[in-house]
Amino acid sequence: EPEVTQTPSHQVTQMGQEVILRCVPISNHLYFYWYRQILGQKVEFLVSFYNNEISEKSEIFDDQFSVERPDGSNFTLKIRSTKLEDSAMYFCASSERGLAGWVDTQYFGPGTRLTVL
Amino acid sequence: QKEVEQNSGPLSVPEGAIASLNCTYSDRGSQSFFWYRQYSGKSPELIMFIYSNGDKEDGRFTAQLNKASQYVSLLIRDSQPSDSATYLCAVRKDDYKLSFGAGTTVTVRA
Repeated sequence: EPEVTQTPSHQVTQMGQEVILRCVPISNHLYFYWYRQILGQKVEFLVSFYNNEISEKSEIFDDQFSVERPDGSNFTLKIRSTKLEDSAMYFCASSERGLAGWVDTQYFGPGTRLTVL
Repeated sequence: QKEVEQNSGPLSVPEGAIASLNCTYSDRGSQSFFWYRQYSGKSPELIMFIYSNGDKEDGRFTAQLNKASQYVSLLIRDSQPSDSATYLCAVRKDDYKLSFGAGTTVTVRA
């Protein structure tokens, strides 16, 4: 069964460093998402991406964050200058369709645990 | 008011019993509703979705939606120890994002 993959599974970085989290969405999916989950808290939406553009972003997704689809398979989340409060599990998700009004399911990858020291 | 609210639990049920999970949402424009299961330290795993009022069954799981009451529930029949997890309710409007509740932790006692 196709699945979303993410690398690395765990990333430890120093405050102020840049990190890039990588995802390979399911191959026929067109819509890609990043969510994060701080330990003990709910899953929070960060950004959605379609056709090489951000389609929606949350207030969490500020100028420190960026997303990119550098090739036909990878989808990346970059955090330019990490803060302590960026420590969380970051989940990539993908869906086949994201059209308004269409019931469309998002499938999550296993996550990258980011620890900022 | 939180967008999506769930009882945090823990909900403890004996093996073989029915577990009943509730979720309310604040935005009447919400169109589709999802239940995910999340084991500790793992990612959310889709159980089922519902978008029309009424019941929808899939194996041991039944989702119920009442848009007038802004309420969605999940029943787990014949609960098994492997069902012990946190169950996340997620809601979607006509945009792209899923809005999640904080989750209900279920423990099935053998």
